[in-house]
Amino acid sequence: DAMVIQNPRYQVTQFGKPVTLSCSQTLNHNVMYWYQQKSSQAPKLLFHYYDKDFNNEADTPDNFQSRRPNTSFCFLDIRSPGLGDAAMYLCATSRDIRGLKTQYFGPGTRLLVL
Amino acid sequence: TQLLEQSPQFLSIQEGENLTVYCNSSSVFSSLQWYRQEPGEGPVLLVTVVTGGEVKKLKRLTFQFGDARKDSSLHITAAQPGDTGLYLCAGAIFGNEKLTFGTGTRLTIIP
Repeated sequence: DAMVIQNPRYQVTQFGKPVTLSCSQTLNHNVMYWYQQKSSQAPKLLFHYYDKDFNNEADTPDNFQSRRPNTSFCFLDIRSPGLGDAAMYLCATSRDIRGLKTQYFGPGTRLLVL
Repeated sequence: TQLLEQSPQFLSIQEGENLTVYCNSSSVFSSLQWYRQEPGEGPVLLVTVVTGGEVKKLKRLTFQFGDARKDSSLHITAAQPGDTGLYLCAGAIFGNEKLTFGTGTRLTIIP
């Protein structure tokens, strides 16, 4: 029944060691989003894909990259994690930019940087 | 930058009481969504409202979208401990695939 799946649920990495977070969806939605969420704050959008078109937020650090090899999968790469990158990372999908634009979230990956 | 202000930021009440959470903006939204998020989990969609003045009910939860589509409220009747969580409103602008998230309301229901 899972619609947006994130792996792993918990990730521990070392300062400066690259890490990749994974998201997959069974909804066949056109749009996929990556958010960063720190404790008790609202999610902060990093970037999103509309089909294969990549849209980066202006304040997303270069340290964060993304790949979407097909409709179902999207990856978040953190090239050199710093202590400040420890957070919950949320993947979300929506059907299209038209219509309700309702976003469906995955369970998140909690990243710990040592 | 569009802002969605939620109030209150924190709310702690006894089981069985009623409560209302507000979500306000100066921007007009094409739709507005409410999510509940529990610790360590992703936000779970509760409802999407689209039409100005629309009221939707989900068991003990009542959602209203303002007539001008700039604000929304969430009313919970007879709150239960399972209602505890972070409540987020999020608005969509016409022609923009991004959501503007509210500042969040952390609700604690005391048994």
